[in-house]
Amino acid sequence: GQNIDQPTEMTATEGAIVQINCTYQTSGFNGLFWYQQHAGEAPTFLSYNVLDGLEEKGRFSSFLSRSKGYSYLLLKELQMKDSASYLCAVRDRPGGGADGLTFGKGTHLIIQP
Amino acid sequence: NAGVTQTPKFQVLKTGQSMTLQCAQDMNHEYMSWYRQDPGMGLRLIHYSVGAGITDQGEVPNGYNVSRSTTEDFPLRLLSAAPSQTSVYFCASRTPGFTDTQYFGPGTRLTVL
Repeated sequence: GQNIDQPTEMTATEGAIVQINCTYQTSGFNGLFWYQQHAGEAPTFLSYNVLDGLEEKGRFSSFLSRSKGYSYLLLKELQMKDSASYLCAVRDRPGGGADGLTFGKGTHLIIQP
Repeated sequence: NAGVTQTPKFQVLKTGQSMTLQCAQDMNHEYMSWYRQDPGMGLRLIHYSVGAGITDQGEVPNGYNVSRSTTEDFPLRLLSAAPSQTSVYFCASRTPGFTDTQYFGPGTRLTVL
């Protein structure tokens, strides 16, 4: 079956760094996505990894290890507006066919002053 | 571009009523999907479509119907609403590439009494 695990909730301090982990066990793998979702809003795309290694985008970075079934999202210089849920999602089938996105339950990140 | 739009934003139904959630996109995306999001459950795929006239079931299709007569529109029909269908519903669209992310609509918050 498909299984994606991420912590339910994390707390961090404004200006600090936080790492949100995601482990997955899926029948196939065609990439891993991270989305940000503010309360009451739609998820928005943050990053995509399909090869091992680190992808950096400004204050946000995402890492993937396919052999370990593991990814993390790293947020630097935390701001209050980063308080949100962060969703890990794996595309477990090719795009031509089923939608193929399996989502984790999300990590609720709380930023404290 | 308006992106992905959904109507209504909020809806209250009584058990047994039927209704249609509307979804439209103006990005000429071939793929469209419906998800539901429940606390502690993450996003789950209901139905999806890879083009006009083509639809298929996702993870949780029971109690819902879809059709795709045009590229732009992908309505979701609740045949006979049940309290278990109380949820937030998101429509999403994307192009078919492996790396292409989902663009989500703003969501419809549905309560079934």
